Amino acid sequence: DIQMTQSPSSVSASVGDRVTITCRASLGINSYLAWYQQKPGKAPNLLIYSASSLQTGVPSRFSGSGSGTDFTLTISSLQPEDFATYYCLQASSFPFTFGPGTKVDIK
Amino acid sequence: EVQLLESGGGLVQPGGSLRLSCAASGFTFSNYAMGWVRQAPGKGLEWLSAISGTGSRTYYADSVRGRFTISRDNSNNTLYLQMNSLRAEDTAVYSCAKVMVRGVINYFDYWGQGTLVTVSS
Repeated sequence: DIQMTQSPSSVSASVGDRVTITCRASLGINSYLAWYQQKPGKAPNLLIYSASSLQTGVPSRFSGSGSGTDFTLTISSLQPEDFATYYCLQASSFPFTFGPGTKVDIK
Repeated sequence: EVQLLESGGGLVQPGGSLRLSCAASGFTFSNYAMGWVRQAPGKGLEWLSAISGTGSRTYYADSVRGRFTISRDNSNNTLYLQMNSLRAEDTAVYSCAKVMVRGVINYFDYWGQGTLVTVSS
């Protein structure tokens, strides 16, 4: 199975900050990677798919990049509603696997 | 509007069984693969299983393969997860999810709110 790691596990940031989260796959997954945002008690929300494609309705301050084994999610200017936990998901080979998550909280 | 509503969760003893259901609406159910994801209390997301639109292809995480079975009834727009030989570590909120692209199995774009399964004596 492909293992996914994320760094950092948590980050404290302020409104307006640029935040970058990294996801690494144990094997190459081309661009078969998605990013999800989850708020407490809520279902995850798809932000980015195929590593860099912005899901419909997601603000343009979110962007994704990478291919192969290394990927990043960037929030260009953090907004109050962005404080949440972010997960990557590899969809290259079964079983699909999530990263352990990165919690973004208020500094 | 896509809606996914899970049911069937509850308290079960170790070694017991439970069947979860997910009622889908707002899209042509048979055109899309579906899946199950769980989240243990205070923990991250775990991908569990997926099934193709016709039901002919199924996939499982190592942690549940051989114990859980995913299935679907396209005539009733319902997804199922049969869970056998349950363990304490299966305690989690179980959510069904819809795959975003017709005809393939990849990313989930819609999720239900989940149903809680507690495995305890």
